[in-house]
Amino acid sequence: AQSVTQLGSHVSVSEGALVLLRCNYSSSVPPYLFWYVQYPNQGLQLLLKYTTGATLVKGINGFEAEFKKSETSFHLTKPSAHMSDAAEYFCAVSKTGGGADGLTFGKGTHLIIQP
Amino acid sequence: EPEVTQTPSHQVTQMGQEVILRCVPISNHLYFYWYRQILGQKVEFLVSFYNNEISEKSEIFDDQFSVERPDGSNFTLKIRSTKLEDSAMYFCASTSGFFTGELFFGEGSRLTVL
Repeated sequence: AQSVTQLGSHVSVSEGALVLLRCNYSSSVPPYLFWYVQYPNQGLQLLLKYTTGATLVKGINGFEAEFKKSETSFHLTKPSAHMSDAAEYFCAVSKTGGGADGLTFGKGTHLIIQP
Repeated sequence: EPEVTQTPSHQVTQMGQEVILRCVPISNHLYFYWYRQILGQKVEFLVSFYNNEISEKSEIFDDQFSVERPDGSNFTLKIRSTKLEDSAMYFCASTSGFFTGELFFGEGSRLTVL
């Protein structure tokens, strides 16, 4: 069985500050890990994914995440927050690349950007 | 840019009524999914569909739920007799292949059961 825990349902940072959204996972097999973003009144959009290989993955809009197997973590970071980053962020895990078993999502973290 | 479209965006129904939520996946995609998100809770997997049959379903997807691909473009989720607890945002998603890792989601259909 797989599960995802996102620490902090709401995270507030100042514009220009570091963004850190935390995600820990549990998986019985090597996981595929994803971050999705949801802007208001829109569907979920893939930010980045880890499948195999390099543990530091870069995504869209300047976000990146690092897979740390020893810590079972896949935290999302961005060096400098922008007002347009305000959105809901979901961490997800899959046994495969998002296939028949689907994705298991975390509860989401609402990112608030203070001017 | 191709996108997944869902209708209706919002539906209000009475408890016990049947509801059909519709989705048009991206045209060359082969795998289709329904997820739901109850307000304030996590996005939950309901069902995946490939080659005109269900591939996987979660324990949420009981006999009250069914999915269908009635033609070459639409993918529907039917709830036979809605309950109050079915109130949620329902997301349709599609992908071209199992191992791409990226699901393309629609904007969701909000279902309110009174």
